[in-house]
This record gives sequence, C-alpha cells and structure tokens, in this order.
Amino acid sequence: EVQLVEFGGGLVQPGGSLRLSCAASGFTFDSHWMNWVRQAPGKGLECVASIKYDGTEKSYVDSVRGRFTISRDNAKNSVHLQMNSLRVEDAAVYYCTRDGVAPGIYHDYWGQGTLVTVSS
Amino acid sequence: EIVMTQSPATLSMSPGERVTLSCRASQRISSYLAWYQQKPGQAPRLLIYGASTRATGIPARFSGSGSGTEFTLTISSLQSEDFAVYYCQQHSNWPWTFGQGTKVDIK
Repeated sequence: EVQLVEFGGGLVQPGGSLRLSCAASGFTFDSHWMNWVRQAPGKGLECVASIKYDGTEKSYVDSVRGRFTISRDNAKNSVHLQMNSLRVEDAAVYYCTRDGVAPGIYHDYWGQGTLVTVSS
Repeated sequence: EIVMTQSPATLSMSPGERVTLSCRASQRISSYLAWYQQKPGQAPRLLIYGASTRATGIPARFSGSGSGTEFTLTISSLQSEDFAVYYCQQHSNWPWTFGQGTKVDIK
C-alpha cells in the first residue's frame, strides 16, 4: 500500500525557517517524481515544488523560488522541503504528493498534510 | 503562468442528478489536464488524468472530456459520497496550476 506521511509542520515567526519531511513507503520511491502542494486555510491548491526521481531536476513556483529548497534521499525513501524566510502568506497545509510512473499521471497519491502556521 | 478558471463556483444538486463541471485554461494545454476531488478535512484524490482517463479505482460515473482550452468533468448520477470540492489542474507548462475549485453541495 502506498503511504506518504508528512511531518515537520508547526508555528514559526515571519522570517523563520522550517523543514518539512515526507516518508514514503509501499512503492519504488526512486522511480517517481515527488512534489509539495500547499493549501492555505479555506483556499485552493498550489504546487510549490517538484523534484525528479533521481534528484537532478527541481522546479519551484515563483513565489517560493530562492526561499524554499526541495530535496530527496532515495536511500531513505524521503523527500524534504526546506523553507526559509517564511512569510505570513506561506501559512498552509503542505501535502507531499507522488507522480505516477506512466506519462501524464500527476499527484496520484497524497499524504495527509502537515500544517504550517506563520505568525508573530 | 497558465490560469485555470472553473465554473460555477458552487453547484447545489440532488442525489441521482447529472452534474457537469467546467474548466477553462488561459492558453491551449492539449489534454494535459487532471481532475481532483477533495472532501472536508481530507487530502485531494486524483479522479481523471489526460483529460479523460479515470484513475485507478474511480467509479465509471465520473468522466472527463475536452482538449485545448475547454474541459468538462461529468458525474452521471450523483451519489451521496460525491458531495465535495472538485479541482482541475493543468500540467502542460510549469508551474502546474489549479483552478479555484467547484463545490458540489446538497440542494
């Protein structure tokens, strides 16, 4: 069974840092692109970062580029999101998602999400 | 950035009714479109990818159509478990972008 479990969320002050992690199991982790998708309270969805199965390609949405860093450890079946210089508008539930191996399949599995609150 | 626009924002429907949700892209995206369902307090779930292919385990009452800039998600006969928010997403050009969602609630 595919499982994605996020952790690392919490309360942080504006300007602070947080590192989110996602533990994956139940599939061949190093065959899949992985992503972080966030959802502000009561709002829609935003894909903020994506990483290739071997870690050689990374993409970021403009609003987080230069502040967030996505990485993965294929030996430990985990993906991470280092978030620096956090802003109030970064507050959201952050979901770890998996892309399918077959072309055209995105976000076929989601974790339960971890809440990030940015407030003074 | 490609903007995805969903309509309507809310649909009030009764069980058993046929439901049609619309999604429009600000530029052509071929068939690089997915639909997701999200229930309160839950993560989204992939329903449709490639504009018209049902994901694993998705009931046949869900169908998707369209290409280019205009897309539709149809639920042939609404079940109680289908009341939720539905999002479309394009994956033609990074950043992948979502529509703002259509909420299907009980009339």
